[in-house]
Amino acid sequence: KQEVTQIPAALSVPEGENLVLNCSFTDSAIYNLQWFRQDPGKGLTSLLLIQSSQREQTSGRLNASLDKSSGRSTLYIAASQPGDSATYLCAVPYGGATNKLIFGTGTLLAVQP
Amino acid sequence: DTEVTQTPKHLVMGMTNKKSLKCEQHMGHRAMYWYKQKAKKPPELMFVYSYEKLSINESVPSRFSPECPNSSLLNLHLHALQPEDSALYLCASSARQGLMSEKLFFGSGTQLSVL
Repeated sequence: KQEVTQIPAALSVPEGENLVLNCSFTDSAIYNLQWFRQDPGKGLTSLLLIQSSQREQTSGRLNASLDKSSGRSTLYIAASQPGDSATYLCAVPYGGATNKLIFGTGTLLAVQP
Repeated sequence: DTEVTQTPKHLVMGMTNKKSLKCEQHMGHRAMYWYKQKAKKPPELMFVYSYEKLSINESVPSRFSPECPNSSLLNLHLHALQPEDSALYLCASSARQGLMSEKLFFGSGTQLSVL
């Protein structure tokens, strides 16, 4: 059974700092891995999707890497801003399906001005 | 239009009430989803519709009844809910990326309280 965990559960950093969020999954037979952002009481916004054949994806100040063999992904946020404060979730498909996602436990990020 | 719209944003209902949650997207996506999210927990998949047909039901109790009237609309009918069903209900649609990936677009959710 696929399990997805994220470390740390919570993180507080000063504005301008570079940071790394971690995601681990137990079954490496995944088609892709997605990173999402969720603001309190709101829906999720897709940030990056990494195909299983890719090693990383970049969007602006965000860079996500994927190492299937070790069951790990990292989300790197450069020059953090208070507007980056949110919960960050990773997710992978499970059950052999492409459209059933299991989400990680999330990392609550607070960027202090 | 790149939005998934959910109504209502908040809903309070008694255990004997019948209510419906609504979701709409106009991105031409072929798949639509219902997720349930308890406080401080990750979302959990409930149902998936593909081409307007129910393709996945993650063993959800029958007091939750999904409906997909057309390719743009998704409803979740609620009846005889329990207080433990209180949660944020999220609708999503998806677009195919590559051969084996679906990129999800989420609505803002309906915060449901069952009294």
